[in-house]
Amino acid sequence: KNQVEQSPQSLIILEGKNCTLQCNYTVSPFSNLRWYKQDTGRGPVSLTIMTFSENTKSNGRYTATLDADTKQSSLHITASQLSDSASYICVVSARYGGSQGNLIFGKGTKLSVKP
Amino acid sequence: NAGVTQTPKFQVLKTGQSMTLQCAQDMNHEYMSWYRQDPGMGLRLIHYSVGAGITDQGEVPNGYNVSRSTTEDFPLRLLSAAPSQTSVYFCASSYDRVGGDWETQYFGPGTRLLVL
Repeated sequence: KNQVEQSPQSLIILEGKNCTLQCNYTVSPFSNLRWYKQDTGRGPVSLTIMTFSENTKSNGRYTATLDADTKQSSLHITASQLSDSASYICVVSARYGGSQGNLIFGKGTKLSVKP
Repeated sequence: NAGVTQTPKFQVLKTGQSMTLQCAQDMNHEYMSWYRQDPGMGLRLIHYSVGAGITDQGEVPNGYNVSRSTTEDFPLRLLSAAPSQTSVYFCASSYDRVGGDWETQYFGPGTRLLVL
């Protein structure tokens, strides 16, 4: 069964610190992996998209890595800011050929950045 | 561009009532989707559309209807609301098939629905 597991479920860090969020998936055949940021009460916003051949993708202070062999991805946040407080959702696309690419959503990691 | 807009932001219904959640986008996107988000669960696809006049079911379509008469609008209809439909509903759109390697999906701000 195609699944996307994220850890930890929640995380509290101090402003200015770094953190890493994990995503493990069992999706086959793999197409791509996305990380979204969802602020409380808002819709998800895309941070990065990585295909099979990409190991790392950065978006400002956000750096995503992908190990397609072990089926693991991580999202590293550098020098955290209060505005980084949000849920971070890992989404894996399966290459089924369907019209919507068969997206499998993780449950998200809720990050709280404290002053 | 306003992006993806949804109305209402919040709605309370009684069991058995019907209502329509509105979704509109001004990016000329062909692909639009409706998701629901429940606590402790990932987003789940309800219905989607690949263009005006074409819709299809997602993972959890029961109790919901959709239609797509224009490229811009994709309303979601609850036929007879049930407490199990209490959730946050997100509409999303993209230029091309989601899951394509470079395709970005844009989400609306969501509609929070409470069914009593």
